Amino acid sequence: AQTVTQSQPEMSVQEAETVTLSCTYDTSESNYYLFWYKQPPSRQMILVIRQEAYKQQNATENRFSVNFQKAAKSFSLKISDSQLGDTAMYFCAFNYGGSQGNLIFGKGTKLSVKP
Amino acid sequence: NAGVTQTPKFQVLKTGQSMTLQCAQDMNHEYMSWYRQDPGMGLRLIHYSVGAGITDQGEVPNGYNVSRSTTEDFPLRLLSAAPSQTSVYFCASSYGREAYYEQFFGPGTRLTVL
Repeated sequence: AQTVTQSQPEMSVQEAETVTLSCTYDTSESNYYLFWYKQPPSRQMILVIRQEAYKQQNATENRFSVNFQKAAKSFSLKISDSQLGDTAMYFCAFNYGGSQGNLIFGKGTKLSVKP
Repeated sequence: NAGVTQTPKFQVLKTGQSMTLQCAQDMNHEYMSWYRQDPGMGLRLIHYSVGAGITDQGEVPNGYNVSRSTTEDFPLRLLSAAPSQTSVYFCASSYGREAYYEQFFGPGTRLTVL
């Protein structure tokens, strides 16, 4: 069975600083995709960044980047120059394209950016 | 292009009542799915569909029913609501169930069962 673990239920960071959110996963699949979703108070699920397992280069989207360690099954999210609008729940998710085609989510990390 | 829409945004039911959560997408996506989100948990798959006329169960299907008569619509039915079904429900869609397709989420429905 595939599992996703986020070990930090809550984190806080000062505005303009950098914060890293942790995620580990367990799978026997060799090809899969990893995602970070942001859920602000509006409840909308927003895709932040995605990583394809067969690509060694870490994905980057503006202030968001990942540290993907395939052997360690680790997929952390780094947010640089944190902004107040980054305050949200962040979910790590995994998809290997199995018969159900669904995303498997971690329990989330609540990030608060303080002014 | 409205993306994925869900109605209603909020709903309060009494135990034993039935209702349908609506989900529609205008992106011609074949794959659609329903998740529920409970406090302290990530999203969990309830039911999914890989195309019109085809549905199947996910991780937590008990108490829910789905149908897919058109590509656009994928309603979720609660047959006899129970307090354990109090949750936030999300509908999602993508071109296919393959992992490389991005899944787009609706805005969610917050359901309370008293």
